[in-house]
Order: sequence, then C-alpha cells, then structure tokens
Amino acid sequence: SQTIHQWPATLVQPVGSPLSLECTVEGTSNPNLYWYRQAAGRGLQLLFYSVGIGQISSEVPQNLSASRPQDRQFILSSKKLLLSDSGFYLCAWSVGGRDEQYFGPGTRLTVT
Amino acid sequence: AQSVTQPDIHITVSEGASLELRCNYSYGATPYLFWYVQSPGQGLQLLLKYFSGDTLVQGIKGFEAEFKRSQSSFNLRKPSVHWSDAAEYFCAVGPLNTGFQKLVFGTGTRLLVSP
Repeated sequence: SQTIHQWPATLVQPVGSPLSLECTVEGTSNPNLYWYRQAAGRGLQLLFYSVGIGQISSEVPQNLSASRPQDRQFILSSKKLLLSDSGFYLCAWSVGGRDEQYFGPGTRLTVT
Repeated sequence: AQSVTQPDIHITVSEGASLELRCNYSYGATPYLFWYVQSPGQGLQLLLKYFSGDTLVQGIKGFEAEFKRSQSSFNLRKPSVHWSDAAEYFCAVGPLNTGFQKLVFGTGTRLLVSP
C-alpha cells in the first residue's frame, strides 16, 4: 500500500534562517507531487507541483523553492524565512488525472 | 479563473441532526469535484469525488454530495451527525482532462457538534 511521510512534524525557526521540509512517498511510481500551505483561517494554497524528477512548477511567487531529486521525494526549501512563511505545510501525491490526491500528515512551521 | 466558495465559516449541529455544507464553484470547463475532511493538526482525507455519472455521490463515513450543474453547487450532506464528525471540511474543484490535478480549494467550513 502507498504511504506518504513528511518531516519534521513541527518546526520553530527564526526569521532569516533556512528551511528544508521533506516529503517522501512509498508504494507508487512516478507520482505527481504537490506542496500546499494552509494559513490559519484560510484554505489550501498550492505552492508547487511536480510531474516528474526535476520538473517543478511554481504557482505563487515567494521566497520558497521546491526540488524533486528522486522520483518519490519532494523538498520544500527557503534560504531566508519570513514571518509570513508560518503555516501548515502539506505534501500530497496523485497518479493520473482522475485520481484523488493523498495528503501527508503535514508540518507545522512557526517563524519567530 | 476557477474559484470555490464555501459560504459558511462555522456551522454548529446537534449530534444526531442532519447536516448540509454548501459549496459553489466557478469553473470554465467540466469540473472534477471533491470533498475532503481535516481533523485538527492532520492532513486531508478524501470523503468523496465526482467527475461524471450519477449526480448523487456516496462517500465514506455516511456522507453524500449532490452535483447540481445549473446551480454550480456540490453540497455535502449527512443525515445524522456524530460527535466524531467535528472537523474542517474542504470542497475542491479541478480540471477533468489533464494528466495531473491542479485543485482549487475553498476556505473550508468548520463543523462543531453539540451534545
């Protein structure tokens, strides 16, 4: 069966520090991968998606970046965090155009 | 541009009462519609999805939703709410005919269940 992992589960970082969030998927090949951010009281905002290794599409201009070094690994990064980067970050995967997206447990990021 | 509106930020329902959560969408093509549920601090779990066929869709945990094209709506219903249904519910819409999903989510409705 397929599983999706995210780590860390929670993270507190000072403004200006770097960020690296990791997401891995098991039990499937060549998934579509997604990074979302969920701010308090707001819906999910799609940040990045990837349809293959090294293929990253950005949805929102910001100081975040994403990479996909392996088929089932998706990394969200920042060189310098802003206060506005605080939120709940969710990774998701899907296979094909008609399948649901499967979400990971999320990472709670607090920038202080 | 695509958009999803969930007009109710919070809804409180008594345990055992019926529930209807509203979702309206604006989409230029045939949509692919979802309802997800999120418990506090957790990821999202799919309740049900619609892309064609019968406009009344059955999902997990006793939920159902009805697609009404004329009203651009996809409301979620449950005949009898349980305390464990307290969570946040998200409606989402996406393109039907692409190789990947690029979903647009509503802002969510938080369901509170009173005893």
